[in-house]
Amino acid sequence: DAKTTQPPSMDCAEGRAANLPCNHSTISGNEYVYWYRQIHSQGPQYIIHGLKNNETNEMASLIITEDRKSSTLILPHATLRDTAVYYCIVRSGYSTLTFGKGTMLLVSP
Amino acid sequence: KAGVTQTPRYLIKTRGQQVTLSCSPISGHRSVSWYQQTPGQGLQFLFEYFSETQRNKGNFPGRFSGRQFSNSRSEMNVSTLELGDSALYLCASSLNPPGQGAGEQYFGPGTRLTVT
Repeated sequence: DAKTTQPPSMDCAEGRAANLPCNHSTISGNEYVYWYRQIHSQGPQYIIHGLKNNETNEMASLIITEDRKSSTLILPHATLRDTAVYYCIVRSGYSTLTFGKGTMLLVSP
Repeated sequence: KAGVTQTPRYLIKTRGQQVTLSCSPISGHRSVSWYQQTPGQGLQFLFEYFSETQRNKGNFPGRFSGRQFSNSRSEMNVSTLELGDSALYLCASSLNPPGQGAGEQYFGPGTRLTVT
């Protein structure tokens, strides 16, 4: 059963912020939210992960709602190279990564 | 620091043959996982190794096997290849052993296997 729900596709203009939503209403207390992306025919790339606090790194920001049932990945200034499939994954320290279908983000000029 | 490397990058095999794929994890990483990616099924977990022991296994037939060496390098083998085994096979390494907290997995570029 899918543990996360993501829109199949999104568009974003270059230079604007890309906000990718993810629903994970059945998340458990010991499960983290991970984001990966996969550019066509390459291996997935780790972006960020968090438990309950918002997180930021050089690539993106992760905003997790207080009830932890949903999250948003924010790419602050999207570029054409950010065009990829973005996967939101919920996992505990004991489980493996289970990829869903993800969101295809298309960044256009 | 060098990333995860996988060899070969491309491979063409015939039905019924067997194939061995290789993965070298990031230096210092002792956990290696393998995934299969196909257009129909997406990314699916095959197995995970840590300290030369298989710690987790996905829902794949016994034709799919793997092993890990003392230097953490890993190989996966597929015997009696079928057309449906055509896929991108991805290897990922992580610092944390299974069950000890959440950690990032870093993926290699994959091996593209075509079975004819």
